[in-house]
Parts: sequence; structure tokens; C-alpha cells
Amino acid sequence: KAGVTQTPRYLIKTRGQQVTLSCSPISGHRSVSWYQQTPGQGLQFLFEYFSETQRNKGNFPGRFSGRQFSNSRSEMNVSTLELGDSALYLCASSLVVTVSTGELFFGEGSRLTVL
Amino acid sequence: AQSVTQLDSHVSVSEGTPVLLRCNYSSSYSPSLFWYVQHPNKGLQLLLKYTSAATLVKGINGFEAEFKKSETSFHLTKPSAHMSDAAEYFCVVSETSGTYKYIFGTGTRLKVLA
Repeated sequence: KAGVTQTPRYLIKTRGQQVTLSCSPISGHRSVSWYQQTPGQGLQFLFEYFSETQRNKGNFPGRFSGRQFSNSRSEMNVSTLELGDSALYLCASSLVVTVSTGELFFGEGSRLTVL
Repeated sequence: AQSVTQLDSHVSVSEGTPVLLRCNYSSSYSPSLFWYVQHPNKGLQLLLKYTSAATLVKGINGFEAEFKKSETSFHLTKPSAHMSDAAEYFCVVSETSGTYKYIFGTGTRLKVLA
């Protein structure tokens, strides 16, 4: 069974640009969540989607947005990039749908560098 | 509100000696607790999880953790460290209160010395 796939793996952008990251969950998983990982702030929750609906959102500015498609694939978008947005962005999918007791399966991440 | 504290940011052990990574949590409801491992430039992988069944949880690669409600702790242990255990470890808490939210600790980087 294929794991969680994130694309692109690495990308470089300049300040003010926007970026879109993609995540394909494990087949059958309908919950997808996104995390930002930086050396200073650690792992921070961005948002979680289930059946194309955002169920939960972390404390990030509106420049960070996401969506989920009917096939459970998800994208996140960051507009007007800032230097501080440089990070590893991790996507995770989960089979459990009602409560947060299930295992999260992580992709290898998209490493964004903002110059 | 829920929170998780990993008491050590770095731990160094010699190969073949025991490993102890400490985690304390705070939760208003019955928590689910997890340990994940992250190798360099990789995603996170589940080591083990506690979801109100047995308090001693066994995971992959010889790791185990004990849920102690009275101490609000969920420390990760392994009897004998291997070089391949060198990685960053994250303690995670979530609440079974209907909200879908996992809170990650700040991580403990484990170094294994030859």
C-alpha cells in the first residue's frame, strides 16, 4: 500500500510569492492534516480536513489556507511568503474519523525555503 | 487545555545502554498519548500509542512506554540502545473530547555513542 505522498519535496521561493503544496493520503484515509516544522517553533498544527471540510485550524494567519478534494487529496497554499515561512511542511493522513485516537501516517514533507 | 512537555531536548547514551525519554502531559479529558520518531529529512513514524487500555504499551523496535496517571507521565524506554535509534522523538497528546487535535511536544534528540 502506498504511503502518504507529498509534492514537491523541495522548493525555493522569494518573499511575496505564493506556494501550493500537495498531499495524497493513503488510500481509504479521509482525514488529512498539515503541520509546520521549524527549529525554533517545533511542530505546529496548521489544519485538518475530513470529507472536504476543515474541521480544525491552528493559530496561523489567513495567508495559510488549504482544501481537500473529493478523492481526499489535499493542498495547502501560503500567499505573500515571508522569510519566517521557511519550514518543513508535513502532511499526515488518518483512518480514524471521529476522535483523535488514531495513528497519523506522515509523508516525508515539503521543505520550503523563502529567500 | 491539553499540553505536553518533553523534559529533555537532548539525550546521549552509549550503544547497549538503556534509553529513557521523558514526557509529561496535561489534559482535561481522557488523553490518548503517542510517541513518534523522526529520522533526518524524513516524516514521523509511530512508535507506540496509549488509548486507555493497558498502561504499559509496547511498540516497535523494542521501545515501550508506561502511562502513569498519578504522575501525568508517559516516559519512553528501551533496554538497550542501538546506533539506528539516533533520531528525534516526539511525545504527542490528544483528547477524546470530539475535537480533532494533536499536540506535539518540542522533541528530544537522541544521540547514541559507539
